[in-house]
Amino acid sequence: ETGVTQSPTHLIKTRGQQVTLRCSSQSGHNTVSWYQQALGQGPQFIFQYYREEENGRGNFPPRFSGLQFPNYSSELNVNALELDDSALYLCASSLSLGSHNEQFFGPGTRLTVL
Amino acid sequence: DAKTTQPPSMDCAEGRAANLPCNHSTISGNEYVYWYRQIHSQGPQYIIHGLKNNETNEMASLIITEDRKSSTLILPHATLRDTAVYYCIVRVILSQFYFGTGTSLTVIP
Repeated sequence: ETGVTQSPTHLIKTRGQQVTLRCSSQSGHNTVSWYQQALGQGPQFIFQYYREEENGRGNFPPRFSGLQFPNYSSELNVNALELDDSALYLCASSLSLGSHNEQFFGPGTRLTVL
Repeated sequence: DAKTTQPPSMDCAEGRAANLPCNHSTISGNEYVYWYRQIHSQGPQYIIHGLKNNETNEMASLIITEDRKSSTLILPHATLRDTAVYYCIVRVILSQFYFGTGTSLTVIP
């Protein structure tokens, strides 16, 4: 059983560019959540996908968007990058919706915006 | 709002028990208490969760007060590899976790 994987590991972009981050969920998990973690802060919930539909969204602007594919892998897209978007982006999968389903986190993608 | 309050940092001697407190005075009756930890620049790792009763697994014990307004995570014999940021989480909506700023635990040799 493979865990949650994310790609790329590190990424450097310039302000105004667009970026796509990818996540493969743990086998059998149909729910994927994305988090942004700024330096020194806890992870902040961006949005969640359940069976290819967005199922909830945190306090992030529309330039943060996502997709979930039939195999439950997922993408996070960020348009018009700003300096404050520099952060560790974490993907987490869980078996299904439900408050006591453990989340399994990937290692994250470190995005630097110059 | 994460609904939890944790001390920003703590130290613990190697081999001793590490007791990490968390206040969650506004917790609702059906909200679980979760603990995750994050070793530097890695993804958070699940430790334990509970609703009312004390829980124990191979990693830790979770003690929840009777009024459920606070809890304590206990690492019985801390090792250097337990140095990490520990997050207590109670606000969970359909697997959407709302993290606070956590406690940075340093295990000292």
